[in-house]
Amino acid sequence: DAGVTQSPTHLIKTRGQHVTLRCSPISGHKSVSWYQQVLGQGPQFIFQYYEKEERGRGNFPDRFSARQFPNYSSELNVNALLLGDSALYLCASSLSSGDYTGELFFGEGSRLTVL
Amino acid sequence: KNQVEQSPQSLIILEGKNCTLQCNYTVSPFSNLRWYKQDTGRGPVSLTIMTFSENTKSNGRYTATLDADTKQSSLHITASQLSDSASYICVVSAQDSWGKLQFGAGTQVVVTP
Repeated sequence: DAGVTQSPTHLIKTRGQHVTLRCSPISGHKSVSWYQQVLGQGPQFIFQYYEKEERGRGNFPDRFSARQFPNYSSELNVNALLLGDSALYLCASSLSSGDYTGELFFGEGSRLTVL
Repeated sequence: KNQVEQSPQSLIILEGKNCTLQCNYTVSPFSNLRWYKQDTGRGPVSLTIMTFSENTKSNGRYTATLDADTKQSSLHITASQLSDSASYICVVSAQDSWGKLQFGAGTQVVVTP
């Protein structure tokens, strides 16, 4: 079985541009969460989606948006990129939204560099 | 202020030796605590998950402990191997929102021959 897949793995953008990151959860998983990990720090929660609805949002500006599709894959969009948006963006999937003890599986991440 | 604090920030150990990593948290109401291993530039991989009622859990050479009263956890690595070189991240979940996991900054472990 394929794990959580993310694309692209690496990308370089310039300030002011827009980026779209994609995530496919493990088959059967309905929940997708997005995290931003700046070098040397732990991941920071951005969004959680379950059954195509937003279930949680972290402290990120409105430049960050996301959506989940009927097949449970997800996109993270970031507009008007800033240098500080350079980070590893991680996607994680799980079976359900309310399973507080459930396993959370991470993808390998998308490394975004903003110049 | 981060609700999950890890120590030390980094450590270097000789292959074959043991080490213990610490995690203190203030997340409340507590749901569960997880330890993840993250290789450089890769996604985190789960090592253990512990709920309030669990005091210890093992996964091979990794043993995690939890003291929910003092809000402390530790991860013990036994007989370290070169492949144990990674960042170890403590993650705490509150009961009110599953997705909003609180991550520590991680402890960078380097195992040398």
